Amino acid sequence: QKEVEQDPGPLSVPEGAIVSLNCTYSNSAFQYFMWYRQYSRKGPELLMYTYSSGNKEDGRFTAQVDKSSKYISLFIRDSQPSDSATYLCAMSAGGTYKYIFGTGTRLKVLA
Amino acid sequence: EPEVTQTPSHQVTQMGQEVILRCVPISNHLYFYWYRQILGQKVEFLVSFYNNEISEKSEIFDDQFSVERPDGSNFTLKIRSTKLEDSAMYFCASSTTKYEQYFGPGTRLTVT
Repeated sequence: QKEVEQDPGPLSVPEGAIVSLNCTYSNSAFQYFMWYRQYSRKGPELLMYTYSSGNKEDGRFTAQVDKSSKYISLFIRDSQPSDSATYLCAMSAGGTYKYIFGTGTRLKVLA
Repeated sequence: EPEVTQTPSHQVTQMGQEVILRCVPISNHLYFYWYRQILGQKVEFLVSFYNNEISEKSEIFDDQFSVERPDGSNFTLKIRSTKLEDSAMYFCASSTTKYEQYFGPGTRLTVT
């Protein structure tokens, strides 16, 4: 079983839709959960960072962590064509500097 | 807004040559990292650096790799004798704590 799994997509949605992006993981030691957005041939851009379980909201973005299910989600409300990118989840256990990334989900928001 | 910068954006080198990839982290950050992303694959951790020493490294970061902070602003990754399989995007990142790592735009390394 892979440490972090993420559906590669592509996921195509119409402009204005609510997008749900997800990752599952197997390592129960993970405590820190991040979402990055990556445009083609660019560096990952940090969107959200959460610690342990719960929800966090920032503008149109909401991150959810369910540690009991080893499942994290990123919701994008009122999606825009400019949101079209690859979304990466990343995780880290306490006491380590290393992020473990998912393979990324490619999102296309159609105008 | 402060950002991590990396040079060059693209480096082409021949197999067996040494390369140095350069990064300028965000100025008040204390933790520095290198990751790589082989085309079509996931981002992979290479090394972290704190207080002028390596704090953690992955199994990828073997004796061919080294990192240095030669002055107060630059952070470098050296690959001593490049191999074809070293071809990848190399990302530098920095953070004020272990978390919330901010990534640079990357250097595309092509080994021929």
